[in-house]
Amino acid sequence: SAVISQKPSRDICQRGTSLTIQCQVDSQVTMMFWYRQQPGQSLTLIATANQGSEATYESGFVIDKFPISRPNLTFSTLTVSNMSPEDSSIYLCSVIDNREGVGKLFFGSGTQLSVL
Amino acid sequence: QKEVEQNSGPLSVPEGAIASLNCTYSDRVSQSFFWYRQYSGKSPELIMSIYSNGDKEDGRFTAQLNKASQYVSLLIRDSQPSDSATYLCAVRGSYKLIFGSGTRLLVRP
Repeated sequence: SAVISQKPSRDICQRGTSLTIQCQVDSQVTMMFWYRQQPGQSLTLIATANQGSEATYESGFVIDKFPISRPNLTFSTLTVSNMSPEDSSIYLCSVIDNREGVGKLFFGSGTQLSVL
Repeated sequence: QKEVEQNSGPLSVPEGAIASLNCTYSDRVSQSFFWYRQYSGKSPELIMSIYSNGDKEDGRFTAQLNKASQYVSLLIRDSQPSDSATYLCAVRGSYKLIFGSGTRLLVRP
């Protein structure tokens, strides 16, 4: 399957600051997604990162808070803006790799974010 | 009603036993179903996919799907302590993958 590199792997940030998470894939993929996993919870889709156009956000997530870039078919960034302690979560980049079968989603190693 | 429901557990089984993990979903038009394993502090790892009714076996894992009952399960035979993890059921809706809250499995040596 596609190799997905995500960085940073973890960070501790101050309230009110912003953090940009990078996701690099070793092959070109059409579909890239950003998920959030809050402590003890399951995964929630934040947005679909579209190459060459604005990201598509899920209900409850807005571009001002979570701006996303997708400059090409192998790279994306997610920024968590104006952070508060409620943003403390694991953020996961994921891709669909159809070489492995229809619609299979694979995850990067994640970014553990703690906001003080 | 949640879109994908799982018992949170923990499900505790002795080493060598069969672990049975269950999942129900609400969207009748769902066509793709997945099981992920997530170790503490790690990202989810895809272990099984199933697209049609019946059983699909891969090594010690068997996924079972019953679309009429909107039910998907994962059986782990000869459970090992290394299988102790949270297992996430995921169902593809119209365009996105929807995850259950996960079942924590503990395999006792």
